[in-house]
Amino acid sequence: DVKVTQSSRYLVKRTGEKVFLECVQDMDHENMFWYRQDPGLGLRLIYFSYDVKMKEKGDIPEGYSVSREKKERFSLILESASTNQTSMYLCASSFQYEQYFGPGTRLTVT
Amino acid sequence: DQQVKQNSPSLSVQEGRISILNCDYTNSMFDYFLWYKKYPAEGPTFLISISSIKDKNEDGRFTVFLNKSAKHLSLHIVPSQPGDSAVYFCGSSNTGKLIFGQGTTLQVKP
Repeated sequence: DVKVTQSSRYLVKRTGEKVFLECVQDMDHENMFWYRQDPGLGLRLIYFSYDVKMKEKGDIPEGYSVSREKKERFSLILESASTNQTSMYLCASSFQYEQYFGPGTRLTVT
Repeated sequence: DQQVKQNSPSLSVQEGRISILNCDYTNSMFDYFLWYKKYPAEGPTFLISISSIKDKNEDGRFTVFLNKSAKHLSLHIVPSQPGDSAVYFCGSSNTGKLIFGQGTTLQVKP
């Protein structure tokens, strides 16, 4: 079974803090993705990576950055958290089309 | 510009009846389509997919139909069960990157 794990299920941070969300997959997948889910907006792609050290902007990259130093790990960084970044963050990995998702991190920025 | 749309935010059906969830897309370059199911506080899980070279794919109670000329796909669940109550996302892919719709919340009443 593919397993995608995320470092925290729930996180509360203050405005202006630097926030790290970690994602690890155990299936040797090349592709990894970060999404955020908001009511009425569906799943929106923030960043993705097709290989180690490689990253591509998704549809809403502003305010975020990513790091992929190892194949199994893909980190999402909020450089200076803001209240409009309160959301559910979902990490996924894939070999081809089918993406496998982690359980999500519910981030609240106060 | 939303490339994938699920125009019904919610759907309510009786247990045992058919559930039909719809999805429209605008990009004719999409070559693979997937449906995901999501329970609250969990990550989405893959349900069923279809390639653009097919018009139907069936897996147990779940069938996906693709109408390329109308740029429309639908998910049929027969018979619907209370455990099917969840948010359903359609995703459309070009080169492995998925674009998701806004989601439809399905409620199956006992």
